[in-house]
Amino acid sequence: DQQVKQNSPSLSVQEGRISILNCDYTNSMFDYFLWYKKYPAEGPTFLISISSIKDKNEDGRFTVFLNKSAKHLSLHIVPSQPGDSAVYFCAASPTGGGNKLTFGTGTQLKVEL
Amino acid sequence: SAVISQKPSRDICQRGTSLTIQCQVDSQVTMMFWYRQQPGQSLTLIATANQGSEATYESGFVIDKFPISRPNLTFSTLTVSNMSPEDSSIYLCSVGGVGGLFSYEQYFGPGTRLTVT
Repeated sequence: DQQVKQNSPSLSVQEGRISILNCDYTNSMFDYFLWYKKYPAEGPTFLISISSIKDKNEDGRFTVFLNKSAKHLSLHIVPSQPGDSAVYFCAASPTGGGNKLTFGTGTQLKVEL
Repeated sequence: SAVISQKPSRDICQRGTSLTIQCQVDSQVTMMFWYRQQPGQSLTLIATANQGSEATYESGFVIDKFPISRPNLTFSTLTVSNMSPEDSSIYLCSVGGVGGLFSYEQYFGPGTRLTVT
């Protein structure tokens, strides 16, 4: 039972353009959402997060949007840079979950010159 | 955030043997977790390492197979026991609550790549 899904296993974007990575969830108890970036042979790196009381959070080139009614969140990267090429995971934590995270399956982003 | 190190970074082990992975954090943290990432898969939580008490295991993971210790607020170990090829994965330590402050964000170590032959 995959409670957090990233339906696009890969995405290719040109440098300077916008990258949009999508994530869907099924568990209504999730109330905090995070995005991580992972390079090969490294651990995931925390990027940005959003609480369920918000619908948008922005940090530099990264913006996360949350649509609670659709149980959908997205990560926008503008402008995309070659160094952004990595696997991106969304993760979710439930109310009273003690920080436990459920991860999505990941999307491989490739930013081309 | 926090600086997290794991030892070993990788290992090749024979089936039936055990491997202990160490996780060290440079500051005190409230929470420590162990994850597994099987080839081509997402990260799956194995257990929450509790300081001074038994770890809390997720469904599908048991203490006999994955014994965990957490003797203090900066160190934890995960043992993969009686290994089989299906245990070949990347094992990741993560921490939350850096400095004793609650937060949802977890910070990950570099991982241990385990291959069982």
